[in-house]
Amino acid sequence: QKEVEQNSGPLSVPEGAIASLNCTYSDRGSQSFFWYRQYSGKSPELIMFIYSNGDKEDGRFTAQLNKASQYVSLLIRDSQPSDSATYLCAVNGGFQKLVFGTGTRLLVSP
Amino acid sequence: NAGVTQTPKFQVLKTGQSMTLQCAQDMNHNSMYWYRQDPGMGLRLIYYSASEGTTDKGEVPNGYNVSRLNKREFSLRLESAAPSQTSVYFCASHPGMNTEAFFGQGTRLTVV
Repeated sequence: QKEVEQNSGPLSVPEGAIASLNCTYSDRGSQSFFWYRQYSGKSPELIMFIYSNGDKEDGRFTAQLNKASQYVSLLIRDSQPSDSATYLCAVNGGFQKLVFGTGTRLLVSP
Repeated sequence: NAGVTQTPKFQVLKTGQSMTLQCAQDMNHNSMYWYRQDPGMGLRLIYYSASEGTTDKGEVPNGYNVSRLNKREFSLRLESAAPSQTSVYFCASHPGMNTEAFFGQGTRLTVV
């Protein structure tokens, strides 16, 4: 079992819709959770991180964390074509080990 | 403010050659990481260093060695390159648990 799992996609949504990206993790001791966006040929860039159960909102983005279910998600409201990218979930467990999932490719069509 | 600097940006090696990928950060971060990225595979952790003087294996350490030379620098060495090591390599640094990790611009390595 991989430590961090994501559906590879592609996830296709029309412009203006809500995109929902999901991630599960195996280490119950994990303490902080990150969503990165990566455009083709570029380095990952942080969208947001969360470490408490519940929701965290930043503009059009909302991260949701459920530690009991070992589940973290990212909602993108009012999706734009410029949001088309690969979204990487990362989990920081013990000893500063930062592990990434395989990423979900999001396609937003005009 | 340079952030995380990786060298080289591109490299072509012949099978069996050795090389070292360099990474330096100027943000005084404790933790540093090496990842490889292959199509459809996300970022796979090769080695990491939680603090100066310590290194630990990640998911895919075979064929690689690392050195945490000081707090700023974390190098990745391929002793005998193989075509399976063709990939994009990213170095990252991280100040602490609930904070952002910063990435270098990546090294595209091709082994022929």
